[in-house]
Amino acid sequence: AQKVTQAQTEISVVEKEDVTLDCVYETRDTTYYLFWYKQPPSGELVFLIRRNSFDEQNEISGRYSWNFQKSTSSFNFTITASQVVDSAVYFCALSGLMDTGRRALTFGSGTRLQVQP
Amino acid sequence: GAVVSQHPSWVICKSGTSVKIECRSLDFQATTMFWYRQFPKQSLMLMATSNEGSKATYEQGVEKDKFLINHASLTLSTLTVTSAHPEDSSFYICSAREPDRSRQETQYFGPGTRLLVL
Repeated sequence: AQKVTQAQTEISVVEKEDVTLDCVYETRDTTYYLFWYKQPPSGELVFLIRRNSFDEQNEISGRYSWNFQKSTSSFNFTITASQVVDSAVYFCALSGLMDTGRRALTFGSGTRLQVQP
Repeated sequence: GAVVSQHPSWVICKSGTSVKIECRSLDFQATTMFWYRQFPKQSLMLMATSNEGSKATYEQGVEKDKFLINHASLTLSTLTVTSAHPEDSSFYICSAREPDRSRQETQYFGPGTRLLVL
């Protein structure tokens, strides 16, 4: 079975603060993919990043950065200098082999980020 | 990125009626699409995997006869909620998997359909 845990249910920060969203995963698969998606109030899920299990390089994209550590099964997401438009629910997800033998995406419970002006 | 559309975005219906939701990949062909359900303030739960040209694969606990899935072409999958009841009210989201090997496993999501059954 595979599992994704986002322990932070809700985070509130003031604009321009940095914020890190935590994600811890479990899988028995040796080849898997990790994702972060953003879900603004409109409901649509926006793809942010994909990482495969063999690529532990950290990545930076503008104000976003991701830290993948296989040793601790974590894939954390940091927003630098947060803005009000960053307010959304963020989901971490894992694509791997399920007990059913199929590959599927398992989502964490999501972290609601509120950025106050 | 790849674009997935979903129609309708909102539907209100009476109990006992059937509702069809369409999911289309607009700029790529998707042999595999997925249907999820999301309750308020909760995560996404996979309902079924829709495979072009074959039967859908349902997750445990999802009624096949209740949620009919048809993947008629490489760009269209439909979910029909048959004889809808108030407990079927939810946010339904589809996704399509990018076939490009360099972006494999990535799912792109439609905007979702909010279903309210009265």
